[in-house]
Amino acid sequence: DADVTQTPRNRITKTGKRIMLECSQTKGHDRMYWYRQDPGLGLRLIYYSFDVKDINKGEISDGYSVSRQAQAKFSLSLESAIPNQTALYFCATSSSTGLNEQFFGPGTRLTVL
Amino acid sequence: KNEVEQSPQNLTAQEGEFITINCSYSVGISALHWLQQHPGGGIVSLFMLSSGKKKHGRLIATINIQEKHSSLHITASHPRDSAVYICAVRKGGSEKLVFGKGTKLTVNP
Repeated sequence: DADVTQTPRNRITKTGKRIMLECSQTKGHDRMYWYRQDPGLGLRLIYYSFDVKDINKGEISDGYSVSRQAQAKFSLSLESAIPNQTALYFCATSSSTGLNEQFFGPGTRLTVL
Repeated sequence: KNEVEQSPQNLTAQEGEFITINCSYSVGISALHWLQQHPGGGIVSLFMLSSGKKKHGRLIATINIQEKHSSLHITASHPRDSAVYICAVRKGGSEKLVFGKGTKLTVNP
């Protein structure tokens, strides 16, 4: 089984709908991240969490919210989806020890019509 | 100007060739990360290094902290190496990564 899983893997939704993307990990890491990837722009950080009680905004947090339900679970919500949130979304985890190497989930392809 | 620049943006090679992908950065860093993203979209961590050189199979990553430069080498390239290779740096004093835009490698049989 994969160490970092994301659900759903693909989602098509309409403008204005609320969407939740979920991430779970079995690596025992304390740190979790949400990124979005757009063609030509690379990966950009949306939110990150260094432990269950620690949530931080990344560079593009507007229009998104997150919840760290447990050490192993980190969810990303789009309260009212808009078309420019169409992107590939990745969850990642890392340990607070060592070089902070990040391990990525398989991605969620989100399309907002 | 981006803090992390990769070159080339696109690279096409024949099977068996030696490949070099470059990453230059303009900030102080504590570590550098090389990632591989296959056409299906998944991202795999290849290396995380803070100095010197690391090797895993046919892949070699080097970093020169003074010159703010890292290279990823692939020896005896194979079509299955076709992917986007992404460089990311962890800025000194930060736990976050700053990503390059990636190098798309195509290895033809």
